[in-house]
Amino acid sequence: KNQVEQSPQSLIILEGKNCTLQCNYTVSPFSNLRWYKQDTGRGPVSLTIMTFSENTKSNGRYTATLDADTKQSSLHITASQLSDSASYICVVSASGGGFKTIFGAGTRLFVKA
Amino acid sequence: GAGVSQSPSNKVTEKGKDVELRCDPISGHTALYWYRQSLGQGLEFLIYFQGNSAPDKSGLPSDRFSAERTGGSVSTLTIQRTQQEDSAVYLCASSLGGASAGLASGETQYFGPGTRLLVL
Repeated sequence: KNQVEQSPQSLIILEGKNCTLQCNYTVSPFSNLRWYKQDTGRGPVSLTIMTFSENTKSNGRYTATLDADTKQSSLHITASQLSDSASYICVVSASGGGFKTIFGAGTRLFVKA
Repeated sequence: GAGVSQSPSNKVTEKGKDVELRCDPISGHTALYWYRQSLGQGLEFLIYFQGNSAPDKSGLPSDRFSAERTGGSVSTLTIQRTQQEDSAVYLCASSLGGASAGLASGETQYFGPGTRLLVL
């Protein structure tokens, strides 16, 4: 069964600290993995997208890694800011016909001053 | 337009009533998606339109749910005889689309702000 699991469910960190969010998936055949940021009351916004051949991609203070062998990804946030408080969603798409994109439940990040 | 827009932003209805939710995708985007997000849950795929092709309805939870896309642009999601478990945020997204495109090809998907539906 195609699944995407994220951990932790929620996380509280102090402003300026770094953090790492985890995503494990069983989606097959793998096509790509995305990380989205969803602010409260808003739709998700794309941060990064990685294909099978990519193992790291950065977008400002956000760096995503992908290990296609172990089917794991992480999102590292450097020097967190209050505006980083949001849900971070891992999304994995499979190749082939039909809609085969699975969304994780997200990690809720709270950055405190 | 500048982005994906959805209306209404909030909708409160009584159990058993029908509701219509509207989505205006980004101009020129041929792919349009509807999702449902229940409190604390991940996004649940509902339906996907790509150009003039038959929509992928595999995510619709029951026959009370339907969607249409007129003129390849605006889409309406209709929920008939609403139930309390239909309460959720309904998100619409669009992408450029095309015959060889789609999420599996790495296309960027742009989301609207969502419609918050509360069924009393």
